[in-house]
Amino acid sequence: DSGVTQTPKHLITATGQRVTLRCSPRSGDLSVYWYQQSLDQGLQFLIQYYNGEERAKGNILERFSAQQFPDLHSELNLSSLELGDSALYFCASSVRLAGGDTQYFGPGTRLTVL
Amino acid sequence: AQTVTQSQPEMSVQEAETVTLSCTYDTSESDYYLFWYKQPPSRQMILVIRQEAYKQQNATENRFSVNFQKAAKSFSLKISDSQLGDAAMYFCARGSQGNLIFGKGTKLSVKP
Repeated sequence: DSGVTQTPKHLITATGQRVTLRCSPRSGDLSVYWYQQSLDQGLQFLIQYYNGEERAKGNILERFSAQQFPDLHSELNLSSLELGDSALYFCASSVRLAGGDTQYFGPGTRLTVL
Repeated sequence: AQTVTQSQPEMSVQEAETVTLSCTYDTSESDYYLFWYKQPPSRQMILVIRQEAYKQQNATENRFSVNFQKAAKSFSLKISDSQLGDAAMYFCARGSQGNLIFGKGTKLSVKP
């Protein structure tokens, strides 16, 4: 158990819908990262937050947004869902935002868009 | 584009034997970090080993060790005394500006 929690574990929804994925980082970790793992794109970085502020963006679609709250949990919002958004979404956390910090991953949320 | 390449989509090893998984990367940074993560069928991402680029000494973690060749930008993972529980996808990753850039992964099978 990495100490990072994600809810829900599974999510099945229809095209055009909106969903919210939730992540609680390890105790003491200030950085939260979101990654998407799909069969065709592999593991891709989406976005990073540090102590409530957005710090880096990767290949995140405009239909996707995220935020980190004062209690440091984070939410990833996916809207106008398409079939291609079906993937495993990981949250990871680390103490700081340095490139050398070990990132600990949550169990992931498997999103299926029908 | 700064990439991480794992040239072996699949590998197989006999139980108790040794196997080496390859990884090469591209970077313009002088100070960076490299990681190997394991993803078993449960899909959980588990850190296997971490290497600081400024350290010449290769990292080791029990049965897992790396061969880090900075000039060649190579970072291979050696698994000794392979066990059935080592069967998983293995991802090489480079730390960049706080996020990770992953390779496509190598699927390791362990034969009893």
